Amino acid sequence: QKEVEQNSGPLSVPEGAIASLNCTYSDRGSQSFFWYRQYSGKSPELIMFIYSNGDKEDGRFTAQLNKASQYVSLLIRDSQPSDSATYLCAVNNYGQNFVFGPGTRLSVLP
Amino acid sequence: DGGITQSPKYLFRKEGQNVTLSCEQNLNHDAMYWYRQDPGQGLRLIYYSQIVNDFQKGDIAEGYSVSREKKESFPLTVTSAQKNPTAFYLCASTTAPGTGYNEQFFGPGTRLTVL
Repeated sequence: QKEVEQNSGPLSVPEGAIASLNCTYSDRGSQSFFWYRQYSGKSPELIMFIYSNGDKEDGRFTAQLNKASQYVSLLIRDSQPSDSATYLCAVNNYGQNFVFGPGTRLSVLP
Repeated sequence: DGGITQSPKYLFRKEGQNVTLSCEQNLNHDAMYWYRQDPGQGLRLIYYSQIVNDFQKGDIAEGYSVSREKKESFPLTVTSAQKNPTAFYLCASTTAPGTGYNEQFFGPGTRLTVL
């Protein structure tokens, strides 16, 4: 059974701080990695994707991938109350379906 | 505007009733997916389809059925055999299925409640 694990949280950070969200996966053949943000009662929306080892930055968001450790993370700099949501990690292997983690609930405190 | 639409937004089902959830996309995507999300849980795959007239069971297909007669449409029927259907149902699509390099786009979801 291919698994994706995340801390369920809630993760609470003060406004302006860096929020660090972590995800581990069991399938070593995984090729692509996605972070989705989901507000309560809404559908997931894509924040970032990463395919290669290392860091990928997009505005206040940085995704980090370490395939050897089977670990992917999302850093949110200068966290805002509007970043309060559940963050879903998704992993995909070539030719396979997406596997989603349970999500980490982030709360940014004003 | 291209996107995925789901209807209805809210749906109530009585015991023993079959209900159908609609999913339509105008993104010209080949693959479509149905997920179920329970409170505080991640997404669980119900069914998926990579081409018209073909679909595959996901992890929790029991009590559900689908059809894919058109590329744009992938309706999900929740049958009376599904004993605990209260959940948030999400439809998604992606282009180039099987490549692993394309994200899934989601519809707004349907919230189903059993009365």
